[in-house]
Amino acid sequence: NAGVTQTPKFQVLKTGQSMTLQCAQDMNHEYMSWYRQDPGMGLRLIHYSVGAGITDQGEVPNGYNVSRSTTEDFPLRLLSAAPSQTSVYFCASSYSRRVGDTQYFGPGTRLTVL
Amino acid sequence: AQKITQTQPGMFVQEKEAVTLDCTYDTSDQSYGLFWYKQPSSGEMIFLIYQGSYDEQNATEGRYSLNFQKARKSANLVISASQLGDSAMYFCAMREVTQGGSEKLVFGKGTKLTVNP
Repeated sequence: NAGVTQTPKFQVLKTGQSMTLQCAQDMNHEYMSWYRQDPGMGLRLIHYSVGAGITDQGEVPNGYNVSRSTTEDFPLRLLSAAPSQTSVYFCASSYSRRVGDTQYFGPGTRLTVL
Repeated sequence: AQKITQTQPGMFVQEKEAVTLDCTYDTSDQSYGLFWYKQPSSGEMIFLIYQGSYDEQNATEGRYSLNFQKARKSANLVISASQLGDSAMYFCAMREVTQGGSEKLVFGKGTKLTVNP
């Protein structure tokens, strides 16, 4: 049981490039989400999904796309990278969207956009 | 308006002593969940403890306990018998589901705890 896995761990992009951050979980969790962590800002929700085929926007969705074709995978796509997207990205999952369900986090991806 | 407030950017504690990390929250919902996460220097987010809004007892998990005062809207984390490995950032978070069905886990800005030998 690997929990929540993320790849890559580190990535450097040039402005305008696109890329996909991968996230997978093997706990059969329905709910998955993406956060970004910036210094002094805590974590902010980018997008989330309550099940395969269902996604919705969080607090800071601009510049990012997501899809959920399977229960296990929830990739985050940066369409045209900007320096403002330099951040640490965390994927998280929980059994459901109930308020009492704990979200478990992946190890994070540190992204730098030059 | 800030949903989760952690007023202590940094805290210091001597090894083996207890420490309280403050967290206040703001919500009009009756049903919500409160969580504490630990983030060591290695960067991962580690779940520590959970308190539900309807739970009458304060949550405890080993050396961690949550001092939940619903009327004051506070959910302070108490770490007993601090260890050097407790040095980390600590985040308070609240999970709520809005009437529109959107999901939110809102984080505070964190408190950096340093345990001195």
